[in-house]
Amino acid sequence: GDSVTQTEGPVTVSESESLIINCTYSATSIAYPNLFWYVRYPGEGLQLLLKVITAGQKGSSRGFEATYNKETTSFHLQKASVQESDSAVYYCALGDVGDNSKLIWGLGTSLVVNP
Amino acid sequence: GGIITQTPKFLIGQEGQKLTLKCQQNFNHDTMYWYRQDSGKGLRLIYYSITENDLQKGDLSEGYDASREKKSSFSLTVTSAQKNEMAVFLCASSITGTGYAEQFFGPGTRLTVL
Repeated sequence: GDSVTQTEGPVTVSESESLIINCTYSATSIAYPNLFWYVRYPGEGLQLLLKVITAGQKGSSRGFEATYNKETTSFHLQKASVQESDSAVYYCALGDVGDNSKLIWGLGTSLVVNP
Repeated sequence: GGIITQTPKFLIGQEGQKLTLKCQQNFNHDTMYWYRQDSGKGLRLIYYSITENDLQKGDLSEGYDASREKKSSFSLTVTSAQKNEMAVFLCASSITGTGYAEQFFGPGTRLTVL
């Protein structure tokens, strides 16, 4: 079936360290997968961080980036130097270009950045 | 920009009770969604609607009804609350017609059933 697996949290890093949150997917029934990272900051609603709809492309936002790798079925989220304000819960999601309703969500990864 | 509001923010019910959650958006989006999130789990789609008066079932629709009487509002009814049920219900909206459209989320309604 279709599924998303991401790094189990919490992930704790110190400010200015690098970060990678892994996301792998299975898209057995989706002809044209597209991939998203959503984020929920403390006290705020879920919001889109970045998305990529074409395999091989990279998305970036707020210093984060993720590359849609069709060969390894991965969409890992990376940042070279995290800040305390990046503390949040990050969700990887798998969508279907042909079906707006279909969004398969990962369980979320809680990131804690220590000052 | 726009905003999605959900009411109530917290909902406490009794077993067997019918409970209604409301969602309003001012993005002028055609598509609206209701998701359920249990602790430590991903979001699961309950219902969605692509236009006024349209309803489409998601994977988790059993035990729920929905209503989209206006483009800007989408309500969800828990038809019979289950004892000890606890979850957060999230409403979202997006532009219709694209499978890669960003979904915009409300702050959620936290349900507790005694």
